Amino acid sequence: DAKTTQPPSMDCAEGRAANLPCNHSTISGNEYVYWYRQIHSQGPQYIIHGLKNNETNEMASLIITEDRKSSTLILPHATLRDTAVYYCIVRYSSASKIIFGSGTRLSIRP
Amino acid sequence: GAVVSQHPSRVICKSGTSVKIECRSLDFQATTMFWYRQFPKQSLMLMATSNEGSKATYEQGVEKDKFLINHASLTLSTLTVTSAHPEDSSFYICSAIEVPEAFFGQGTRLTVV
Repeated sequence: DAKTTQPPSMDCAEGRAANLPCNHSTISGNEYVYWYRQIHSQGPQYIIHGLKNNETNEMASLIITEDRKSSTLILPHATLRDTAVYYCIVRYSSASKIIFGSGTRLSIRP
Repeated sequence: GAVVSQHPSRVICKSGTSVKIECRSLDFQATTMFWYRQFPKQSLMLMATSNEGSKATYEQGVEKDKFLINHASLTLSTLTVTSAHPEDSSFYICSAIEVPEAFFGQGTRLTVV
């Protein structure tokens, strides 16, 4: 699986959009981009995934660049409950194992 | 959405004893489950892939005789930490996939004293 690079930490004001970047320059054509988050002392939670097109669901939006070498997770209106570590992962298929990188620790300030 | 239940959520055991952690997929069948370990302020580290009806596949550096995995049914995988030592104290998390998402248990915090 391709490796990802994320900033170790970010912060965002409550109510603002949080934009979390991820680089995956070695991604191959059939690898998906997945995002998960882990709130302290809990198991990771699925957020969103995509292959080529931008995706949106009730939690977030995923913007994938045209060359697919990077992506951005957008939390449109961050709340204090969005404080967590966010992991960007690329996988060959939706059934394959998930290898976690170091993620981005997102802090939301009131 | 699908739910993965892990039990117990917290356990304290004495050095030298064994501890069993259960992972259940509550509303779907999972032929494959994954076990992770997480130390404080670190990321999740994949330990092994649990396959229903066959032997688990362990990641490099993980002792299969120490971390026994059994996946006897399509909804249950167990991880047994044998002869536990204080350095085995960690947060253990299981995962099961219902395509296209992976669902994670709430984790088990193991403390070996």
